[in-house]
Amino acid sequence: DQQVKQNSPSLSVQEGRISILNCDYTNSMFDYFLWYKKYPAEGPTFLISISSIKDKNEDGRFTVFLNKSAKHLSLHIVPSQPGDSAVYFCAASARETSGSRLTFGEGTQLTVNP
Amino acid sequence: GAGVSQSPSNKVTEKGKDVELRCDPISGHTALYWYRQRLGQGLEFLIYFQGNSAPDKSGLPSDRFSAERTGESVSTLTIQRTQQEDSAVYLCASSFQPGTSNEQFFGPGTRLTVL
Repeated sequence: DQQVKQNSPSLSVQEGRISILNCDYTNSMFDYFLWYKKYPAEGPTFLISISSIKDKNEDGRFTVFLNKSAKHLSLHIVPSQPGDSAVYFCAASARETSGSRLTFGEGTQLTVNP
Repeated sequence: GAGVSQSPSNKVTEKGKDVELRCDPISGHTALYWYRQRLGQGLEFLIYFQGNSAPDKSGLPSDRFSAERTGESVSTLTIQRTQQEDSAVYLCASSFQPGTSNEQFFGPGTRLTVL
């Protein structure tokens, strides 16, 4: 039972353009959502998060949008840079879950071409 | 300024052997998590430690898997009688305290290959 799904295994964009990564979830108990970025041979690093009480959170070039009715969130990166090329994981947690452990999607490999 | 460290970085073992993976969390972090990532999949929760409380073992896939943590420091994940399906990257994360808004910091992982 995949509670968090990233349906696009890969995405390729041109430098300077917008990258949009999508994520869907099924568990209505999730109340906090995060995006992690992962380079090869490194652990995931936190990028940006959003609480379920908000529908948008922005941090520099990164914006996360949350549509609770659709159980969908997206990460926008603009402008995209070659250094953004990495695997992006969507993750979710629920306050009631022990330790607020994270449930991850399968990841999307983003490639930003110069 | 150490982050989360894990050892070994790579481990190749034969089916049926036991392996032990180590995680050193960030100093002062009370919460520690183990996840694994199998090829082409997302990270899968295994176990969670918080201080001296009983660990949440609900993600462990079988009784061949066990983990310990000494106080609020090092943790070891042990896999007994390894199987080929245990091949994965095992990731450890720690956070200052549990809670949805507390960022989990991940180590680089241990890549386990079971032949």
